[in-house]
Amino acid sequence: AQSVTQLGSHVSVSEGALVLLRCNYSSSVPPYLFWYVQYPNQGLQLLLKYTSAATLVKGINGFEAEFKKSETSFHLTKPSAHMSDAAEYFCAVSDGGGATNKLIFGTGTLLAVQP
Amino acid sequence: DADVTQTPRNRITKTGKRIMLECSQTKGHDRMYWYRQDPGLGLRLIYYSFDVKDINKGEISDGYSVSRQAQAKFSLSLESAIPNQTALYFCATSDLQGARGEQFFGPGTRLTVL
Repeated sequence: AQSVTQLGSHVSVSEGALVLLRCNYSSSVPPYLFWYVQYPNQGLQLLLKYTSAATLVKGINGFEAEFKKSETSFHLTKPSAHMSDAAEYFCAVSDGGGATNKLIFGTGTLLAVQP
Repeated sequence: DADVTQTPRNRITKTGKRIMLECSQTKGHDRMYWYRQDPGLGLRLIYYSFDVKDINKGEISDGYSVSRQAQAKFSLSLESAIPNQTALYFCATSDLQGARGEQFFGPGTRLTVL
């Protein structure tokens, strides 16, 4: 069975500081991994995805994530936080188009950016 | 126009009432999903459908039913709403030939059951 663990339900950073949101996964098959962002009162928007190509994945709005198989991690980073990055972020894992192609979501990390 | 639309966007109802949430998509995707989001729990899958003749239960299907009326439409029903079904509900779609599980989400329906 697949699962995702997001460490830290709330993260607060100062504007201009590094953003690091942690995600660890468990999967019995090669995983496909996703980060979604949810801005207040909106649906989920894909930030970036790992689908077994390059291990360092670049997404929208300056975010990137690195797939580390040895650590079963897919942490999300951004070098310099902006006020507009304040949102909730979800990590998700898929069996990659296998039997169900379902997404399993983590519990989310709420990012606050302080001026 | 949005690719995935949900109606209504907000709904307040009473315990025991029947409620239907509707989802429509213009992406031409085969697969559609219903999730609920609760604070601190993330998104949990209620039902999913791979085509109009294929409906599958997700991890929390009790108390819910669905109907896939057409490729573009997927409705979620609460036959007799209860307060713990108060949540934010999302519809999503994906393409069978698409990028390995990537899903596209609607704007959500906020449901309150009193």
